[in-house]
Amino acid sequence: AQSVSQHNHHVILSEAASLELGCNYSYGGTVNLFWYVQYPGQHLQLLLKYFSGDPLVKGIKGFEAEFIKSKFSFNLRKPSVQWSDTAEYFCAALLSGGYNKLIFGAGTRLAVHP
Amino acid sequence: DSGVTQTPKHLITATGQRVTLRCSPRSGDLSVYWYQQSLDQGLQFLIQYYNGEERAKGNILERFSAQQFPDLHSELNLSSLELGDSALYFCASSVGGDFTNTGELFFGEGSRLTVL
Repeated sequence: AQSVSQHNHHVILSEAASLELGCNYSYGGTVNLFWYVQYPGQHLQLLLKYFSGDPLVKGIKGFEAEFIKSKFSFNLRKPSVQWSDTAEYFCAALLSGGYNKLIFGAGTRLAVHP
Repeated sequence: DSGVTQTPKHLITATGQRVTLRCSPRSGDLSVYWYQQSLDQGLQFLIQYYNGEERAKGNILERFSAQQFPDLHSELNLSSLELGDSALYFCASSVGGDFTNTGELFFGEGSRLTVL
């Protein structure tokens, strides 16, 4: 079955530390990939997306993600996190081939300590 | 503010009962999606409606049903509730029906359902 896996459920970092959140998908066809973020008490919002072209995509607030097709991965990175990055991060995949649903990973809760 | 409105924000009910969750999409959006977020399952896609018609179905139980009305608001009906149905139910909307334009969903703040 098609699925999206996020390796870390909880991540705790200090401010200025570098961040990398793992995301893998299981699907052999064409995928479009997304990272959504949910700040405390707020709704989910789009952080960045990959449809085609440059596999390194840049999103809002200094986040970037790299699509590596051979590894079925779409890891999220940020060189230096801030306390305001404390949130839950969801990786999602939109599958081609007649599917019409966005499949989300279980989410990673990031806590950044000052 | 995403522009997607969900009511109620919180709901506490007993097992065996029935509840209705309501969602108003962003102005101009034709698609409404329902997701269930529970602690151990993450965000699970339930169902999508596009301009009043069911477009895609995910892991939605037979005890659950949804519809989209002519004014494009949607309701998710949950019946014969069980303890395991306790979760946060999100509604999202998008302009089109198949993500080809922007691939972005706009989410509401969710309805938290607690079944006792």
